[in-house]
Amino acid sequence: GAGVSQSPSNKVTEKGKDVELRCDPISGHTALYWYRQSLGQGLEFLIYFQGNSAPDKSGLPSDRFSAERTGGSVSTLTIQRTQQEDSAVYLCASSFGLIRPTDTQYFGPGTRLTVL
Amino acid sequence: AQRVTQPEKLLSVFKGAPVELKCNYSYSGSPELFWYVQYSRQRLQLLLRHISRESIKGFTADLNKGETSFHLKKPFAQEEDSAMYYCALSASANTGFQKLVFGTGTRLLVSP
Repeated sequence: GAGVSQSPSNKVTEKGKDVELRCDPISGHTALYWYRQSLGQGLEFLIYFQGNSAPDKSGLPSDRFSAERTGGSVSTLTIQRTQQEDSAVYLCASSFGLIRPTDTQYFGPGTRLTVL
Repeated sequence: AQRVTQPEKLLSVFKGAPVELKCNYSYSGSPELFWYVQYSRQRLQLLLRHISRESIKGFTADLNKGETSFHLKKPFAQEEDSAMYYCALSASANTGFQKLVFGTGTRLLVSP
């Protein structure tokens, strides 16, 4: 079947506006992750959803960032009052949710966010 | 704190030359380590994981707990190996959650 999909592929917004980024995980995957890929910074973990458990939000950089996952499937990452430093590629990944051994994460193509 | 260090931003070699991409980690628990690769205009994907002890596309990586390293090696580089390589550590330990801590990546450029 299809892999992880993300929309939009590109988003240009003005500073101070809110944006929503969407992720459709692979069907049957209970775990979903959001990462941020900034130039020269590698990949930074943002948030992790596992089934019906409370999400691990430890990587969210500020309270302007939030994410939800509805029905255990689609997830939306929302950035409020965007700042220029939010410009990055936002990657979503999903996996079966195994803990030990850690299972393979399958990544989406990413959303490139540019804040002017 | 968990940390993954990839000291080289760019590694440039000629086709047929040996390649070693360095990765060092810091983790107090029992580590699970991975190499992910991103080819041009493609998605980030898993290359190999240390528990599998397998060779993928000619690449191998051995976990050295004494040196806290997980270097990626290939004896003879090919042009199609040119890509961005990320070393990652699974920081799942006893939390019940799992997340990957990534290094900053090394761009491998293999020239003809």
